Amino acid sequence: QKEVEQNSGPLSVPEGAIASLNCTYSDRGSQSFFWYRQYSGKSPELIMFIYSNGDKEDGRFTAQLNKASQYVSLLIRDSQPSDSATYLCAVNGGNQAGTALIFGKGTTLSVSS
Amino acid sequence: NAGVMQNPRHLVRRRGQEARLRCSPMKGHSHVYWYRQLPEEGLKFMVYLQKENIIDESGMPKERFSAEFPKEGPSILRIQQVVRGDSAAYFCASSPGGFSQPQHFGDGTRLSIL
Repeated sequence: QKEVEQNSGPLSVPEGAIASLNCTYSDRGSQSFFWYRQYSGKSPELIMFIYSNGDKEDGRFTAQLNKASQYVSLLIRDSQPSDSATYLCAVNGGNQAGTALIFGKGTTLSVSS
Repeated sequence: NAGVMQNPRHLVRRRGQEARLRCSPMKGHSHVYWYRQLPEEGLKFMVYLQKENIIDESGMPKERFSAEFPKEGPSILRIQQVVRGDSAAYFCASSPGGFSQPQHFGDGTRLSIL
């Protein structure tokens, strides 16, 4: 069974620090990797996506992918209290068009001011 | 509003009743996905549809649950004879297609069973 694993947290960082969120996946054939942010009681919001090994940067966010280690991470620089949320790692499992996402249970991030 | 539209936002049903959840994808998106989020659990895939076709329903319970995406109108997730365990947040997502395309989520329907 395909699985996506995340530490549940909470991960606590002070304002202005770097938050590092990690995710591992079981299906070596996975092709696409996504990070969503979900505030309590709200819907998931797409933050980043990455397809190739290496780093991808967008503003304060950097996604890192290592397919050999089946590992994907999200770095949040200059963390703000508004970044406090649950971060969901999601993996698209195959080479079929439009296959479903497999989600981890999420890591709760708390940024203190 | 160009986003994924779901309604109703909140739905209360008594045990044994039917629940109908609606989803209109983003403009230009022809792929619709339904996910369920139980309290304290992660998002779980239920069903993937394109217009008039169910592509993958491997995550949907075999009984009482059905989904459709007609040629005209929104996608519908239907739950017959609801039970307490059906209480959850149901999210719809859409994409323009292709495994690499990100899925964008609607605000969800919170289903409560009395």
